[in-house]
Amino acid sequence: EPEVTQTPSHQVTQMGQEVILRCVPISNHLYFYWYRQILGQKVEFLVSFYNNEISEKSEIFDDQFSVERPDGSNFTLKIRSTKLEDSAMYFCASRAGTGGYTGELFFGEGSRLTVL
Amino acid sequence: RKEVEQDPGPFNVPEGATVAFNCTYSNSASQSFFWYRQDCRKEPKLLMSVYSSGNEDGRFTAQLNRASQYISLLIRDSKLSDSATYLCVVRGSNYKLTFGKGTLLTVNP
Repeated sequence: EPEVTQTPSHQVTQMGQEVILRCVPISNHLYFYWYRQILGQKVEFLVSFYNNEISEKSEIFDDQFSVERPDGSNFTLKIRSTKLEDSAMYFCASRAGTGGYTGELFFGEGSRLTVL
Repeated sequence: RKEVEQDPGPFNVPEGATVAFNCTYSNSASQSFFWYRQDCRKEPKLLMSVYSSGNEDGRFTAQLNRASQYISLLIRDSKLSDSATYLCVVRGSNYKLTFGKGTLLTVNP
């Protein structure tokens, strides 16, 4: 069964360092997302991406965050200068397209980021 | 008012029990509704969509009341493997998902 894969599974970094989280969405999917979940809190939307550009972003997704699809398969989330409050589980998700039930989002297993 | 609000829980039930989860949402323009389950430190996984007519999938029954902006999930004959956090999820026209905080269920032997 096709799946969304994420690397690394866990990253520990020092405050102020840059972090890149990587995702390989399901191959024929067109829409890509990042969500995050701070420990003990709800899953929150960060950004959606389609046709090589951001289609929507949340208030959380400030100038420290960026996304990229550099090579047609990987979808990356970059945090330029990490803060303690960026510690969370980051989930990548993808979906095939609009119409009918194809709107289902498929989530990766997540990348846990710990900022010290 | 929170966008998606759920019973805070946690729920502890014996095997075989029936358990109900409730959820309300604030955006009347929401278009689609789901229940996800999330195991500890894992990704959310779609359990079932929720339709206005109500729908059932084995031991799971979901209901939606658009007028009162209320969603429910009923689990009958609960199993140990049902232990997880149950997330109420609402989707808008832009396919963005809004999650509730979740309700933790523990099914005990």
